[in-house]
Amino acid sequence: GAVVSQHPSWVICKSGTSVKIECRSLDFQATTMFWYRQFPKQSLMLMATSNEGSKATYEQGVEKDKFLINHASLTLSTLTVTSAHPEDSSFYICSAPPEGRHGYTFGSGTRLTVV
Amino acid sequence: TQLLEQSPQFLSIQEGENLTVYCNSSSVFSSLQWYRQEPGEGPVLLVTVVTGGEVKKLKRLTFQFGDARKDSSLHITAAQPGDTGLYLCAGELGGSNYKLTFGKGTLLTVNP
Repeated sequence: GAVVSQHPSWVICKSGTSVKIECRSLDFQATTMFWYRQFPKQSLMLMATSNEGSKATYEQGVEKDKFLINHASLTLSTLTVTSAHPEDSSFYICSAPPEGRHGYTFGSGTRLTVV
Repeated sequence: TQLLEQSPQFLSIQEGENLTVYCNSSSVFSSLQWYRQEPGEGPVLLVTVVTGGEVKKLKRLTFQFGDARKDSSLHITAAQPGDTGLYLCAGELGGSNYKLTFGKGTLLTVNP
């Protein structure tokens, strides 16, 4: 089946630094990628939708300058948390929508801790 | 405003008990999906329902989609400790954007 590989699975960084999270579609092409944020014991909140070759669409309240999304190819979408602060600590998950015979495919998530 | 109201948010039961989780909305969904998520992992799809009134069974789990495609339920029979996890419903409104709307989730703990 379709697989989305997300890296890193966890990262600890210092306040003020930037962190890049990658999601790769391994055996299919993903023209769209959804990026979610999840706080402990809570549901997934959609942050933005990336589209290959065009600008990402951000949900209301999400700072586009802080959460940089790039979808440079049909198999790679990245989320960069810039100038990270402790309140950015969260679980970030990517997901590719159904294409062809595949349903929604989720990455395994990235646990970001900003210290 | 939460598009998908999921309840209860937290549920702690004893092994062997039955439980039902509900997802309700005023919107009509083209499909509704149920996921289970373990800590530190991505959600894993349990089932997708697309037809109003549809009932699907997955071992001890029974999923139902409302006739009007606005609500859904997940019923677990004889819960086991291995059923512990976060259960999420997610609806697809249709159209071309494939955007999923998630409920707030139900954190289920099954005590041995």
